[in-house]
Amino acid sequence: GAVVSQHPSWVICKSGTSVKIECRSLDFQATTMFWYRQFPKQSLMLMATSNEGSKATYEQGVEKDKFLINHASLTLSTLTVTSAHPEDSSFYICSARAGAGAGEQYFGPGTRLTVT
Amino acid sequence: GQQVMQIPQYQHVQEGEDFTTYCNSSTTLSNIQWYKQRPGGHPVFLIQLVKSGEVKKQKRLTFQFGEAKKNSSLHITATQTTDVGTYFCAGGNSGSARQLTFGSGTQLTVLP
Repeated sequence: GAVVSQHPSWVICKSGTSVKIECRSLDFQATTMFWYRQFPKQSLMLMATSNEGSKATYEQGVEKDKFLINHASLTLSTLTVTSAHPEDSSFYICSARAGAGAGEQYFGPGTRLTVT
Repeated sequence: GQQVMQIPQYQHVQEGEDFTTYCNSSTTLSNIQWYKQRPGGHPVFLIQLVKSGEVKKQKRLTFQFGEAKKNSSLHITATQTTDVGTYFCAGGNSGSARQLTFGSGTQLTVLP
C-alpha cells in the first residue's frame, strides 16, 4: 500500500525557535497533502491543504505566517512552525492523496512537537 | 462550516460483545470515510462510502451510509482485543479541495 513518512518523529525545541517537519510520499505522487494537528485523546483538526506548486489553503483560525507550508514537489511537503511557543506543542500529522478525487488519505506516522 | 459529530466518545465492551459508533454531519456529504487509530499510532484508512444507503462489510465490520448522506455507522460484531483503538469517521465535501472533516472519534476498549 501507499506509504507516507514524516520526519522527525519527535522534536523538542525551545520557545522562540522554528521547527521544520517533512512529509514524504514514498511510493506514489501526492497531488494534495494535508496537515493536521491532534491533541491528546482528541480528533484530527485540519490545518491546511497544500497542492504541489501552489500556495497552501489554510483553515480558519490557523495563522499562515506561523505555520509555513511548502509543497515543492509531488512527493514532499514541509510544515515549518515559526517562533514556536509551548501552546504549539502537539501531534502534527500529514496525509497525502494521490488523485484529485475524494479518495482515501494516507497518513504519515506523525510528529510529536514539544516546545519548552 | 461543516461539523461532524460522533458518539459515543468512549466505549468499553467485553470481548465477544458487539460495538457500534455513530457519525452525524451537519451538512450533506459527498462521501464518508472511516479510519482506525491504534494507541500511539496514526489513522489508517478502513473504507469509503459514497452512495446513499450504501452498506459495506469487511469481515466483522459493517459500515452504513444514511439515505440522506448525513449520517453513518460502524458496527463491529463479536469484538476482539485487536479491535482496540479509536475509530474516526471523516466526512468528505464536494469542494475542489476534497477535504475531510473528522469526527471526534470513538475510543474502543475491549476487555478480555
